[in-house]
Amino acid sequence: SAVISQKPSRDICQRGTSLTIQCQVDSQVTMMFWYRQQPGQSLTLIATANQGSEATYESGFVIDKFPISRPNLTFSTLTVSNMSPEDSSIYLCSVEPGGSYGYTFGSGTRLTVV
Amino acid sequence: GENVGLHLPTLSVQEGDNSIINCAYSNSASDYFIWYKQESGKGPQFIIDIRSNMDKRQGQRVTVLLNKTVKHLSLQIAATQPGDSAVYFCAENTEMNRDDKIIFGKGTRLHILP
Repeated sequence: SAVISQKPSRDICQRGTSLTIQCQVDSQVTMMFWYRQQPGQSLTLIATANQGSEATYESGFVIDKFPISRPNLTFSTLTVSNMSPEDSSIYLCSVEPGGSYGYTFGSGTRLTVV
Repeated sequence: GENVGLHLPTLSVQEGDNSIINCAYSNSASDYFIWYKQESGKGPQFIIDIRSNMDKRQGQRVTVLLNKTVKHLSLQIAATQPGDSAVYFCAENTEMNRDDKIIFGKGTRLHILP
């Protein structure tokens, strides 16, 4: 299965600032996904990022707040913009590597907004 | 810890006993289902998957059962060990607007009693 490297692993940020999270995959993948996991809860899909096209956002998530880049088949970034304490969550990227391994996840970025 | 599973239902099982974790999924058109294990501080880890043309699939110490009639999925873990302590999520692969995406269920925290 694919190996995902996600950076940073954690950060503490001031409200009103922005943080860009990077996701690097060790193989080329068509689709990459960004999830949010609020404390003690399940994962919620933010958006799907395909290389060469604009990301597709789920209900409740907008591009101005969570801009995504997908410059090539192994890399993506998610920016959390104009942060507030409500944005404190774990943010995870995921890929579909193919084969019977399900979707693979990075270890996540633990964001605390103060 | 990272508060994963803090607000999720908890299943407590004696070490060595079998565990059964249940999940109801939402979309009758979903054709692929995955069970994930998430330990504190880590991203979800693939356990086992099943396609909609099957009703049972076995792995090492784990079995997944799928009942499409009632949209129910279960994960059975045989001879539960302390290392099985984690939060378990079911996920369904749903095609929306021609894009495949994985939608997560609410999750269950498995607690192993000594």
